[in-house]
Amino acid sequence: EAGVVQSPRYKIIEKKQPVAFWCNPISGHNTLYWYRQNLGQGPELLIRYENEEAVDDSQLPKDRFSAERLKGVDSTLKIQPAELGDSAVYLCASSLDLSNSPLHFGNGTRLTVT
Amino acid sequence: GENVEQHPSTLSVQEGDSAVIKCTYSDSASNYFPWYKQELGKRPQLIIDIRSNVGEKKDQRIAVTLNKTAKHFSLHITETQPEDSAVYFCAANAPYGGSQGNLIFGKGTKLSVKP
Repeated sequence: EAGVVQSPRYKIIEKKQPVAFWCNPISGHNTLYWYRQNLGQGPELLIRYENEEAVDDSQLPKDRFSAERLKGVDSTLKIQPAELGDSAVYLCASSLDLSNSPLHFGNGTRLTVT
Repeated sequence: GENVEQHPSTLSVQEGDSAVIKCTYSDSASNYFPWYKQELGKRPQLIIDIRSNVGEKKDQRIAVTLNKTAKHFSLHITETQPEDSAVYFCAANAPYGGSQGNLIFGKGTKLSVKP
């Protein structure tokens, strides 16, 4: 089966510019996650979707970050405007359901804000 | 909420030796503990997981042990090989409320296996 697909792989932008990341989860996976991974750290959850509903966005900085998962499949994560501290790897993951199903991660988008 | 501590942050072993990475968690209601391996520039990949109804699980050279009383779990890699070199992350699920099912990750252990 195809894995979780993310694009772009790399993105370099100047601060205050907008940026968007795209994720296509594994077919049939209802739960989709966006994580942020800073250098030398573990992934930290930003938002979790169950189908098209955001069921946990408590860690999403809502003043500049937004996400959507239209039709309960693909998802986009947007930052506007980006700040220097947003430089990180943004990982998308999906799982079958919430019953402790394994998470499958995409390759991530490495964002550099200059 | 759940908090996961992971030690050591770096670990260097000789090829063929064993490696042990330890994690502690704070919420006694957590019941799912996966381990992920992340090679440089690549995605985290699940290598083994354990649920709270068992104390140990093995898969070839990899094993995980869970001590629910002490709230800690460990990854054991035997007969290490250079290709085991990577960053390993432990995680525990958040058991309550809106965060139920979310995985909380440790900060990672960079394992280096020297030939």
